[in-house]
Amino acid sequence: NAGVTQTPKFQVLKTGQSMTLQCAQDMNHNSMYWYRQDPGMGLRLIYYSASEGTTDKGEVPNGYNVSRLNKREFSLRLESAAPSQTSVYFCASRAAALSGNTIYFGEGSWLTVV
Amino acid sequence: AQSVTQPDIHITVSEGASLELRCNYSYGATPYLFWYVQSPGQGLQLLLKYFSGDTLVQGIKGFEAEFKRSQSSFNLRKPSVHWSDAAEYFCALYGGATNKLIFGTGTLLAVQP
Repeated sequence: NAGVTQTPKFQVLKTGQSMTLQCAQDMNHNSMYWYRQDPGMGLRLIYYSASEGTTDKGEVPNGYNVSRLNKREFSLRLESAAPSQTSVYFCASRAAALSGNTIYFGEGSWLTVV
Repeated sequence: AQSVTQPDIHITVSEGASLELRCNYSYGATPYLFWYVQSPGQGLQLLLKYFSGDTLVQGIKGFEAEFKRSQSSFNLRKPSVHWSDAAEYFCALYGGATNKLIFGTGTLLAVQP
């Protein structure tokens, strides 16, 4: 089972460049999430999507945009990358309540902005 | 508002000793609670979860956690730690009303031989 797939795994950007992190899940989950992980700060929620076509801001949305065009895919875009966005990014999807709301994570995307 | 606090940033235990990692939460209703483990450079692995029923939850790798509503806590325990348990541990809360999964800042576990 593929589960949650993120691409790319590693990326180096120059300040001001743009890029999109792709995320896809094959578990037919409605809810999907994007997090960033920084040392000592745990995982912080950037954006989430409760269903296809809907998105909501999380704790740290500034500098990011998201798109949920279909049920499988939830992409995260950095329009003008800044060094403060150097981080590890995780995509996740959530099982339905009857399945205990378990969250499944991708393997992470390591992004460096120089 | 929902929040998760892990008071211990770093814990060191000897191999074979018992372990307890603390997690406190704030949420207006009964939460769904999770513990995840992350090895260096890796993704997150689910250890266990609580959403109803028995307040003592068993997980993988010999871990267990106890939900205590009166203390707003969900502490993770293991009776005998192995060197391979060295990792970072995250407590997380899912709030059904908000659809958000919020994490604590993590506890880094070191295991001494």
